[in-house]
Amino acid sequence: NAGVTQTPKFQVLKTGQSMTLQCAQDMNHEYMSWYRQDPGMGLRLIHYSVGAGITDQGEVPNGYNVSRSTTEDFPLRLLSAAPSQTSVYFCASSLPGPSYGYTFGSGTRLTVV
Amino acid sequence: AQSVTQLGSHVSVSEGALVLLRCNYSSSVPPYLFWYVQYPNQGLQLLLKYTTGATLVKGINGFEAEFKKSETSFHLTKPSAHMSDAAEYFCAVSHHGSSNTGKLIFGQGTTLQVKP
Repeated sequence: NAGVTQTPKFQVLKTGQSMTLQCAQDMNHEYMSWYRQDPGMGLRLIHYSVGAGITDQGEVPNGYNVSRSTTEDFPLRLLSAAPSQTSVYFCASSLPGPSYGYTFGSGTRLTVV
Repeated sequence: AQSVTQLGSHVSVSEGALVLLRCNYSSSVPPYLFWYVQYPNQGLQLLLKYTTGATLVKGINGFEAEFKKSETSFHLTKPSAHMSDAAEYFCAVSHHGSSNTGKLIFGQGTTLQVKP
């Protein structure tokens, strides 16, 4: 099993450009989430989804859009990149319910110049 | 609202010494608590979790944690540190409840340094 796959692993964007971070899981997990990791701030929840067609905002949703058309995929869109969005982004998935814990992808390191 | 506080952004221990990483949570309902480890340039790996039942939980690599409801704490310990334990450790909380379904909230993280 591949688990949670994130692409690309590295990306450099210019301010104002748009892009989509891809996330796919092959574990048939209902729950999926996107986090950003910044030094000293831990992981902050951007958006999450409890199933296909259902998404909700986390702690830091501004500047990011998501959709969940299938159980397997949960892409994160940056519509107009800003230097403040320079970060490491992690996608994660889980079985439904608060007790399982999430399985994480290996991350995407994004730099906005 | 649920939240997690990890006391100490950096902890340094000698090889063979006790490891203690502190985590306190805020919750109005029974929490589910997790510890994750992140090695350099990698994703997060689940170390252990508390759901219900026994308050002392054992995880991988010799780590364990104790849920203390009266202290709202879930501290992570290991009797004897190994050089390979050097990493960043994150405490996280989730809950039942319509407003929290699907959310896993993390603390700020603690970097563990192990000195030879």
